[in-house]
Amino acid sequence: NAGVTQTPKFRILKIGQSMTLQCTQDMNHNYMYWYRQDPGMGLKLIYYSVGAGITDKGEVPNGYNVSRSTTEDFPLRLELAAPSQTSVYFCASSYSDPTDTQYFGPGTRLTVL
Amino acid sequence: KNEVEQSPQNLTAQEGEFITINCSYSVGISALHWLQQHPGGGIVSLFMLSSGKKKHGRLIATINIQEKHSSLHITASHPRDSAVYICAVSIQGAQKLVFGQGTRLTINP
Repeated sequence: NAGVTQTPKFRILKIGQSMTLQCTQDMNHNYMYWYRQDPGMGLKLIYYSVGAGITDKGEVPNGYNVSRSTTEDFPLRLELAAPSQTSVYFCASSYSDPTDTQYFGPGTRLTVL
Repeated sequence: KNEVEQSPQNLTAQEGEFITINCSYSVGISALHWLQQHPGGGIVSLFMLSSGKKKHGRLIATINIQEKHSSLHITASHPRDSAVYICAVSIQGAQKLVFGQGTRLTINP
């Protein structure tokens, strides 16, 4: 049982490039989340999903897109990377709504130069 | 003003001391979570509270719904407790958590 896995662990992008951050969970959780963590700031919700085929925006969705075609996978797409997207990105999952315990992936450290 | 405020932002203590980290929030909540972020960056959930008190080993979490306040206590602190402790609230009627900025705890031997 691997829990929540994320790839890659680190990535450097040039301004304007695109990439996909991968997130997979093997706990059959319905809810999945993408957060970003900036230095000295709390985690901010980018997008979330309550089940396969259903996604919704969080607090800071601009510049990102998501899809949820399966229960297990919740990739985050960055289009036209900007320096403001330099951050650490965490994927998380929970069986039910946010009152339930969330399980976090190890994070992806992204730098946009 | 942030919906979730933690204090202190940084805390340094000696091994064995009793530690208290505070969390205040300004919104109606369904639950409050305490999380631990290790120096390597990984985040784990410690507690989920909707009322009262919970204990796990040397960690105790309490919540006062009327005062919109929660505390995380660590008894007999140890250098391995050094981490960032994060408070997060599940807002009533919303499918999201709102996070505090975290408290960086350092326990010196």
